[in-house]
Amino acid sequence: QSALTQPASVSGSLGQSITISCTGTSSDVGGHNYVSWYQQHPGRAPKLMIYDVTNRPSGVSNRFSGSKSGNTASLTISGLQAEDEADYYCSSYTSSSTLGIFGGGTELTVL
Amino acid sequence: EVQLVESGGGLIQRGGSLRLSCAVSGFSVRNNYISWVRQAPGKGLEWVSVTDSDGTTYYADSVRGRFTVSRDNSKNTLYLQMNSLRAEDTGVYHCGRGGAYGLDVWGQGTTVTVSS
Repeated sequence: QSALTQPASVSGSLGQSITISCTGTSSDVGGHNYVSWYQQHPGRAPKLMIYDVTNRPSGVSNRFSGSKSGNTASLTISGLQAEDEADYYCSSYTSSSTLGIFGGGTELTVL
Repeated sequence: EVQLVESGGGLIQRGGSLRLSCAVSGFSVRNNYISWVRQAPGKGLEWVSVTDSDGTTYYADSVRGRFTVSRDNSKNTLYLQMNSLRAEDTGVYHCGRGGAYGLDVWGQGTTVTVSS
């Protein structure tokens, strides 16, 4: 089972918006609405930012939003702030396995 | 407060064994899915196992037959017994609440280093 495909890095300036893509197949991202996004700062545990494609857990800023089109899910961060600089991972339920599947991760740099 | 705390990591020789613990507070391991996810140095996240509320565990191909998850409901703790350790098992091991649908709470992780 190959990992979901994410860009290795993205960057944006303070206050701007960026979008991170997560591409899978019809067996995972495209076939189910169980895509999650995690933020991970260096040396820290991952933190859930988006679940079930579009939902934000309580306490997560509404600057973070999720969407999906076909086999590709996306995480958009608007009004970039310095503290958004981190690694971001997508994950999805997959009908090919009893475990989930992660993306390779995207390093976000805030300029 | 919902919390998961991992422990038991350390330096171990190739071929050795180690048991990790995931102590849970704020919810019951008996009624929730719990996953182990690892991260090799400088690499991404990799699912290791998912244990469902019935206590049935599913494993990644890379660890099946070597790793075993057990659960002590009285201590509200999950264990990951790791045998026949390999260099590629090196990394930070996190436990988290949830399964393939997503993990909503994660522990801070415990580091396993397998030396050759």
